Amino acid sequence: TQLLEQSPQFLSIQEGENLTVYCNSSSVFSSLQWYRQEPGEGPVLLVTVVTGGEVKKLKRLTFQFGDARKDSSLHITAAQPGDTGLYLCAAWTSGSARQLTFGSGTQLTVLP
Amino acid sequence: DAGITQSPRHKVTETGTPVTLRCHQTENHRYMYWYRQDPGHGLRLIHYSYGVKDTDKGEVSDGYSVSRSKTEDFLLTLESATSSQTSVYFCAISKSGQGTDTQYFGPGTRLTVL
Repeated sequence: TQLLEQSPQFLSIQEGENLTVYCNSSSVFSSLQWYRQEPGEGPVLLVTVVTGGEVKKLKRLTFQFGDARKDSSLHITAAQPGDTGLYLCAAWTSGSARQLTFGSGTQLTVLP
Repeated sequence: DAGITQSPRHKVTETGTPVTLRCHQTENHRYMYWYRQDPGHGLRLIHYSYGVKDTDKGEVSDGYSVSRSKTEDFLLTLESATSSQTSVYFCAISKSGQGTDTQYFGPGTRLTVL
């Protein structure tokens, strides 16, 4: 079973601050995804990282895939209230089962 | 936005009653999933389908059954609802179910079992 551990579980910061969310596992992944879920909605894919050491930027969000492809981080620069939401990392299971395993999530609140 | 709808969006029912939730997609994606989301547990897979009449169990399948008679519809049934099944239920779809595939989610159904 692939287990994805996210930290921190909760994060409350002021507008303009920077933050980093972590996703760790003992398993090696061929790729890893980050989703964001806003209140009352389903999760939406933000990014997929594939190569060890890869860095992807999406405006003020920076995603990094660890060199060993066991971990990933999400860094937000100058957070805004619109960044508030639940951030989930996820990875497709290996083998024949077609399942996406999710981390438990980081609930981010950005206060104005 | 991917064409995924869930019905009903909200439901209150009593313990012991049967409940069926419906997921409908217009994307013709092969894979469909049912998750439940509870505080502190994230998204947990209940059942998924890899084609018409082809389904498999997920992490938390006890007390739930599913059916898929058409590509576009995936039904989740609680045969006899219990209070522990109070949750928000999400349907999701994907094309290939592997690699770098994207999973698209419906808007969710909030179910309360009294």
